[in-house]
Amino acid sequence: KAGVTQTPRYLIKTRGQQVTLSCSPISGHRSVSWYQQTPGQGLQFLFEYFSETQRNKGNFPGRFSGRQFSNSRSEMNVSTLELGDSALYLCASSLEFRDRGSNEQFFGPGTRLTVL
Amino acid sequence: GQNIDQPTEMTATEGAIVQINCTYQTSGFNGLFWYQQHAGEAPTFLSYNVLDGLEEKGRFSSFLSRSKGYSYLLLKELQMKDSASYLCAVKGNAGNMLTFGGGTRLMVKP
Repeated sequence: KAGVTQTPRYLIKTRGQQVTLSCSPISGHRSVSWYQQTPGQGLQFLFEYFSETQRNKGNFPGRFSGRQFSNSRSEMNVSTLELGDSALYLCASSLEFRDRGSNEQFFGPGTRLTVL
Repeated sequence: GQNIDQPTEMTATEGAIVQINCTYQTSGFNGLFWYQQHAGEAPTFLSYNVLDGLEEKGRFSSFLSRSKGYSYLLLKELQMKDSASYLCAVKGNAGNMLTFGGGTRLMVKP
């Protein structure tokens, strides 16, 4: 079974631009979460989508947005990029078990975004 | 609020045992995860605890005490390939959102 895939793997943008990152979850997984990882802040939750609906949202400004399609693929968008947005953006997918709380998240390789 | 603490760095010797602690204060709790992350790679799942006690999986074990807001990851028979960051994460009450600690960078020396 293929793992979580993310595209592109590396991206360089300049301040003020906008960027769209893509995530394809493991087949059958309907929950997709996005995280930002930086050396200073560690892994921080951005948002989670389930069945095309945003289910949770972290403490990030409105410049960060996302969506999920009917095939569970997800995209996140960052508008008006700032230098501080340089980070590794990780996507994770999981199954939904009604009777179990684990719902282990499987992470993709990430997209390394550099803002100049 | 959410607060998860773990040591920043640890060093241990190949073949030894190391325990990585994690303390948490969160508004909701639906389980605690441990992930391993090698430099430049994605985090990979190690263990999950939702009830008090010890979960053993090969060389790795994880313990949880909900009343104390405390967990640890125990790595036995350390190997050089265990050099990585170990991330403690708490799952809240809604959905699959995980709140991560800052991670513990473990260095295994010969």
